Amino acid sequence: DAKTTQPNSMESNEEEPVHLPCNHSTISGTDYIHWYRQLPSQGPEYVIHGLTSNVNNRMASLAIAEDRKSSTLILHRATLRDAAVYYCILTHNAGNMLTFGGGTRLMVKP
Amino acid sequence: DAGITQSPRHKVTETGTPVTLRCHQTENHRYMYWYRQDPGHGLRLIHYSYGVKDTDKGEVSDGYSVSRSKTEDFLLTLESATSSQTSVYFCAISESEGAGYEQYFGPGTRLTVT
Repeated sequence: DAKTTQPNSMESNEEEPVHLPCNHSTISGTDYIHWYRQLPSQGPEYVIHGLTSNVNNRMASLAIAEDRKSSTLILHRATLRDAAVYYCILTHNAGNMLTFGGGTRLMVKP
Repeated sequence: DAGITQSPRHKVTETGTPVTLRCHQTENHRYMYWYRQDPGHGLRLIHYSYGVKDTDKGEVSDGYSVSRSKTEDFLLTLESATSSQTSVYFCAISESEGAGYEQYFGPGTRLTVT
């Protein structure tokens, strides 16, 4: 199974953009790139996903490299509420099972 | 927010006792999942269901059984709880099995086995 690599932690200032990187050099052509986040004491929350093209939604943007070996989750203006662990996950198999790695802990400073 | 509830939200039980956790959804989604989350392991899939009475094992299914008699309910049973099953349990739902479909998670159940 293709694996993802993320930094353990990142810091950001409130109201500034945040770019969270994810490497997935062994991604296959049918793998989707999903991002979830988990706020303290809560269940994971879906953020965004994509296959090949960049994607935007109300929460974030997903920028996918042309060779698909890396992607970046972009939070346009970080708020204190965005402090969470962000997981980059590849999905491809029937049953849509998610395999969570360690994720990136994002800290947002006021 | 997706309509997913879990009950109970917190439970303390003794080793050897049976425990059933319930996940209830109001979204009419076909797929339902049970995960557990432990420090240092992230979330791991226990069992999942792809329809009423249709279930399959996940990564860490030993010691757990599941049942789904209605679309909206997915039950996770620990037949004889052990201390290693102390964890936070999350239920999730998905509209479809396709890799391009997202999952929505419940608030979790914190289970402590003493």
